[in-house]
Amino acid sequence: QKEVEQNSGPLSVPEGAIASLNCTYSDRGSQSFFWYRQYSGKSPELIMSIYSNGDKEDGRFTAQLNKASQYVSLLIRDSQPSDSATYLCAVFNTGNQFYFGTGTSLTVIP
Amino acid sequence: DGGITQSPKYLFRKEGQNVTLSCEQNLNHDAMYWYRQDPGQGLRLIYYSQIVNDFQKGDIAEGYSVSREKKESFPLTVTSAQKNPTAFYLCASSRQRTGYEQYFGPGTRLTVT
Repeated sequence: QKEVEQNSGPLSVPEGAIASLNCTYSDRGSQSFFWYRQYSGKSPELIMSIYSNGDKEDGRFTAQLNKASQYVSLLIRDSQPSDSATYLCAVFNTGNQFYFGTGTSLTVIP
Repeated sequence: DGGITQSPKYLFRKEGQNVTLSCEQNLNHDAMYWYRQDPGQGLRLIYYSQIVNDFQKGDIAEGYSVSREKKESFPLTVTSAQKNPTAFYLCASSRQRTGYEQYFGPGTRLTVT
């Protein structure tokens, strides 16, 4: 079982819609969770971090954490073509290891 | 302007040659990391360092070496022993190793022929 799992996609949404990206993790004791955006050919860019159960909002982005179910999600409201990228979920687990998922490819269709 | 720089952006080498990738940060971060990313795959940890003059192997350290003589610098050498060196190499740093966000440099794309 992988430490962090994401649906590779591709996920396609129309412009203006809500894009929902999901991630599950295997270490129940993990405490730190992150979402990165990676444009093709570029390096990952941190967009959200979340440490407590519940929702955390930053502009059009909302991260949701449910430790009991061991999943973390990212919602992108009013999706724009510029949001088209691969989104990486990362988890820092109890073994002091930082694991990345393989990413979900998102395409926002104008 | 704080950040992480990597150089060069593109690097071409012949098989059998060692090559060193540069990574510098001015964020005053203690921890630094090297990852490798292959097409369609996730990030794999090569080496990390939590403090000057100390570093630890990651999941795929074979064929690579690093040094951490200064807090700001964490160069990676890809040796001729690395069987498949062509990849996108990413350097990252974080305030400390334990649980903090990692920030990435722009990456170096290495091609070995």
